Amino acid sequence: AQSVTQPDIHITVSEGASLELRCNYSYGATPYLFWYVQSPGQGLQLLLKYFSGDTLVQGIKGFEAEFKRSQSSFNLRKPSVHWSDAAEYFCAVGGDSSYKLIFGSGTRLLVRP
Amino acid sequence: GAGVSQSPSNKVTEKGKDVELRCDPISGHTALYWYRQSLGQGLEFLIYFQGNSAPDKSGLPSDRFSAERTGGSVSTLTIQRTQQEDSAVYLCASSLRGGMNTEAFFGQGTRLTVV
Repeated sequence: AQSVTQPDIHITVSEGASLELRCNYSYGATPYLFWYVQSPGQGLQLLLKYFSGDTLVQGIKGFEAEFKRSQSSFNLRKPSVHWSDAAEYFCAVGGDSSYKLIFGSGTRLLVRP
Repeated sequence: GAGVSQSPSNKVTEKGKDVELRCDPISGHTALYWYRQSLGQGLEFLIYFQGNSAPDKSGLPSDRFSAERTGGSVSTLTIQRTQQEDSAVYLCASSLRGGMNTEAFFGQGTRLTVV
């Protein structure tokens, strides 16, 4: 069965520090992978997506993610976190024959001043 | 409007009552999704509409849940005889067309509390 695991429920980093949010997926075919961000009281916003090609994808707000097929991972990174990045982050997987997104349970990012 | 609009933003209802949640997708988007986000959980797929095709209702958790999409635009999610476990944020999304290679835009959600 398709699934997405985000092993970290909460992560706290200092402003200016680097960030990595983990995501592991289980999917039988070629996955389409997504990262979304949800700020308080807001809907989900797409940060980036991977369909094929270059395994390192760039997104908005300075985020990037790397697809590693051998590890079934799609970790999200940012070299220097800003206080405005505090939010909840969701990893999701889909496929080319499906319109359903399977979401992880999310990671809440807290940023220390 | 410019984005996906959902109403109401908050709804408190008594157990056993029926509720209707509304979603106005982005104009011209043919695909519409409903998801449920329970506290501390990820998003759970509920239902998918694409154009005039029969909707995929496979994610609806019980027969108390139903959804319609009138005229290929506005959608209403109805929960009958609400239970406390129905308390969650209900999110609607739309995309230009169905499938994974088009971005889904999410609304801000309706927070439903059943007391």
